[in-house]
Amino acid sequence: QQQVKQSPQSLIVQKGGIPIINCAYENTAFDYFPWYQQFPGKGPALLIAIRPDVSEKKEGRFTISFNKSAKQFSLHIMDSQPGDSATYFCAARQTSGTYKYIFGTGTRLKVLA
Amino acid sequence: DAGVTQSPTHLIKTRGQQVTLRCSPKSGHDTVSWYQQALGQGPQFIFQYYEEEERQRGNFPDRFSGHQFPNYSSELNVNALLLGDSALYLCASSQLTGSVGNTIYFGEGSWLTVV
Repeated sequence: QQQVKQSPQSLIVQKGGIPIINCAYENTAFDYFPWYQQFPGKGPALLIAIRPDVSEKKEGRFTISFNKSAKQFSLHIMDSQPGDSATYFCAARQTSGTYKYIFGTGTRLKVLA
Repeated sequence: DAGVTQSPTHLIKTRGQQVTLRCSPKSGHDTVSWYQQALGQGPQFIFQYYEEEERQRGNFPDRFSGHQFPNYSSELNVNALLLGDSALYLCASSQLTGSVGNTIYFGEGSWLTVV
């Protein structure tokens, strides 16, 4: 069973801090790694994504770091704000045929004002 | 540009009943996937539809079935509901081909409570 392991389960930071969320995968059958942000009562929204041939990608205050050899990737949120308080999910896309996505278990982030 | 729309947003069913959830994909998208998200968990892949056919299925029993229509919209049907089927059901829309092939975008989901 392919898995994506996400940590930590929850995270509390002060406003302006840099929360870091980590994910690890177990095999190489993935070719695309998105992060989703989910607010209570809402569906997950695509935040940022990276392909394994790139080691880092930045979009605004969000950065993905990717370590292909270690099979790990992480999300960094620069200058975090209370509005960033949400649950974050990493995901990995399976390369075969229909592009099934495997999701991590989520990280609940709280940014204190 | 309309995003992914799902209906109904909330519903309550009794054990043993059947439910149908509906999804309209984002404009220009031809592929619909369904995911189940239990409380406090990540989304779990149920199945994917492309060209009106089920292309791949996750580890869900045959009680879960679906359909895709010629206009790319889709339905998820769950028969013989169990208490454990209570979850947020997410429709994910994507375009299978192209340079950004199959990046998925979620709807707001349908909250199903089985009592």
